[in-house]
Amino acid sequence: EDQVTQSPEALRLQEGESSSLNCSYTVSGLRGLFWYRQDPGKGPEFLFTLYSAGEEKEKERLKATLTKKESFLHITAPKPEDSATYLCAVQGNAGNMLTFGGGTRLMVKP
Amino acid sequence: SAVISQKPSRDICQRGTSLTIQCQVDSQVTMMFWYRQQPGQSLTLIATANQGSEATYESGFVIDKFPISRPNLTFSTLTVSNMSPEDSSIYLCSVEARDSGTEAFFGQGTRLTVV
Repeated sequence: EDQVTQSPEALRLQEGESSSLNCSYTVSGLRGLFWYRQDPGKGPEFLFTLYSAGEEKEKERLKATLTKKESFLHITAPKPEDSATYLCAVQGNAGNMLTFGGGTRLMVKP
Repeated sequence: SAVISQKPSRDICQRGTSLTIQCQVDSQVTMMFWYRQQPGQSLTLIATANQGSEATYESGFVIDKFPISRPNLTFSTLTVSNMSPEDSSIYLCSVEARDSGTEAFFGQGTRLTVV
């Protein structure tokens, strides 16, 4: 059974204070690891898909990296508008569905 | 990317009634997924809906409670039947797009409150 654990559950940062969110996973044959941003009352917004260990992807202040056991979402010099819940999910060989972690709620104070 | 529209965006329903949620995609997709997000929690897959066949349900979810239709490659519905307050959640439709890899997109969700 695929499992995803995200840490920390909540993270408070000052504006400009860089940090990283962790996503640890176990999966039967990784087909993809997904990162999403979710704002309150809205559906998840797709950020990245990573496919193999060593892969990195960037989008504005966000950078996602992947190893065989975990993924990190690095946030560089965050702004208050980066405040949201960040979700990690994996897709394994068992099927096309995604298995989600519990999410990290990020709060960036001005 | 795929644009997904869900209706309604929110509803308040009486216990014992049923609500049908619609999901419309702006392009043809093979697989559509329905997820539930209970208050303060992450997403849990309810079922996978393929056009032309019955939906495949995950453990803990049954067709009598969550019937799904998939009449064509751009549309699906999820019905929450005989609702109870425990069904109060956000229900999300998702599709998988394969442009240059695999990306999975979500609708904005339907916030259901059962009273």
